[in-house]
Amino acid sequence: QLQLQESGPGLVKPSETLSLTCSVSGGSISYSSNFWGWVRQPPGKDLEWIGSIYYGGSTYYNPSLKSRVTISVDTSKNQFSLRLSSVTAADTAVYYCARQQPRGALVVVPAAFDSWGQGTLVTVSS
Amino acid sequence: QSALTQPRSVSGSPGQSVTISCTGTSSDVGSYNYVSWYQQHPGKAPKLMIYDVSKRPSGVPDRFSGSKSGNTASLTISGLQAEDEGDYYCCSYAGTYTFAVFGTGTRVTVL
Repeated sequence: QLQLQESGPGLVKPSETLSLTCSVSGGSISYSSNFWGWVRQPPGKDLEWIGSIYYGGSTYYNPSLKSRVTISVDTSKNQFSLRLSSVTAADTAVYYCARQQPRGALVVVPAAFDSWGQGTLVTVSS
Repeated sequence: QSALTQPRSVSGSPGQSVTISCTGTSSDVGSYNYVSWYQQHPGKAPKLMIYDVSKRPSGVPDRFSGSKSGNTASLTISGLQAEDEGDYYCCSYAGTYTFAVFGTGTRVTVL
């Protein structure tokens, strides 16, 4: 049973960098073809895909956030991480990490998010 | 990439059926069979209910079903139960530069 757990500061100051880590247990993060993603949800609002990383290290970001986002993986710790720079109040949200199902043969793409962390609220405020 | 369009709310009595639509474009829903649906209860993480348009993960009741026609995907809940109340989101793969676009969310109320 795959389990994911987010961790990181719950309060970040405006203009600073938000950093979160997702710890994966019950399976290897470097298992072939897995995608790992970050999704956020502002209070009372809808889900938004932030970005994903392939098990081999390739990264894919939401175009609207691309200039501020970095996702990386640490296979030795079975973790992957999110960094979002120059945050504003609009980045206040619950941040979720999740695994995405790989699909396709010649070209593998990420599909459904089938395992989720519980989420962590990050507030941007001075 | 714009969010997929869902009705803000749907409701039904216990035992009835409700259907939630999810309208995208030929760049997302219309081009790929990678539509998924999520149930979210207050304060909880989303839960995968349907993937690849119409497949159910193990443990999801068979009263949940999914389909797609053109640029619109649908989730049907048959035999509505009290525990089905919550928010539902669709999601679609949308190509090389937008791996996932979510819907605007639908609140399901059991009367």
